[in-house]
Amino acid sequence: DAGITQSPRHKVTETGTPVTLRCHQTENHRYMYWYRQDPGHGLRLIHYSYGVKDTDKGEVSDGYSVSRSKTEDFLLTLESATSSQTSVYFCAISGLADYNEQFFGPGTRLTVL
Amino acid sequence: DQQVKQNSPSLSVQEGRISILNCDYTNSMFDYFLWYKKYPAEGPTFLISISSIKDKNEDGRFTVFLNKSAKHLSLHIVPSQPGDSAVYFCAASGNNRKLIWGLGTSLAVNP
Repeated sequence: DAGITQSPRHKVTETGTPVTLRCHQTENHRYMYWYRQDPGHGLRLIHYSYGVKDTDKGEVSDGYSVSRSKTEDFLLTLESATSSQTSVYFCAISGLADYNEQFFGPGTRLTVL
Repeated sequence: DQQVKQNSPSLSVQEGRISILNCDYTNSMFDYFLWYKKYPAEGPTFLISISSIKDKNEDGRFTVFLNKSAKHLSLHIVPSQPGDSAVYFCAASGNNRKLIWGLGTSLAVNP
């Protein structure tokens, strides 16, 4: 299994508070992704990174920001959490050799009250 | 607008029989297709993939077929086992490393 961890695994927070989710990899892969999974929507890309300090928006980026200061860490921040951001968040990584194949972390279940 | 469609939300098969999961896509620029399996409370796990230059790829009990003219692919699992019970996602990619996902099909393999 690819070495990907996510923290925290579960979080309950209140509307309006900032939240940061962390993805950590030990594979030295260049590409990292944040997705959210919701019933009826499948997996949707929030942001992705193609290298240290290089990030770009996905299809549902509003209300989220990311940072990647080291190869191994990709942080997702909800600047001011809303109930619509209650979801399961997955981090994924991919390397140069396995061009399209992404490997996923275990997920973070976030509840915004 | 869903570019990758899995029209069957669920499928139930008997152990030992074939499971066939279907996926349709609308974007002719997609050139790489993947299947992932997901168990509850875990992240998706890569299963098998196929490039648009092929029409079949096989890995053990799993075979993916691609029909480009119909913009259709299917995953065959033979023989099906109870441990195959999971949600299966189809995903597609163009040349930008972004995957577009279907909504998934929940497979139940009954002993």
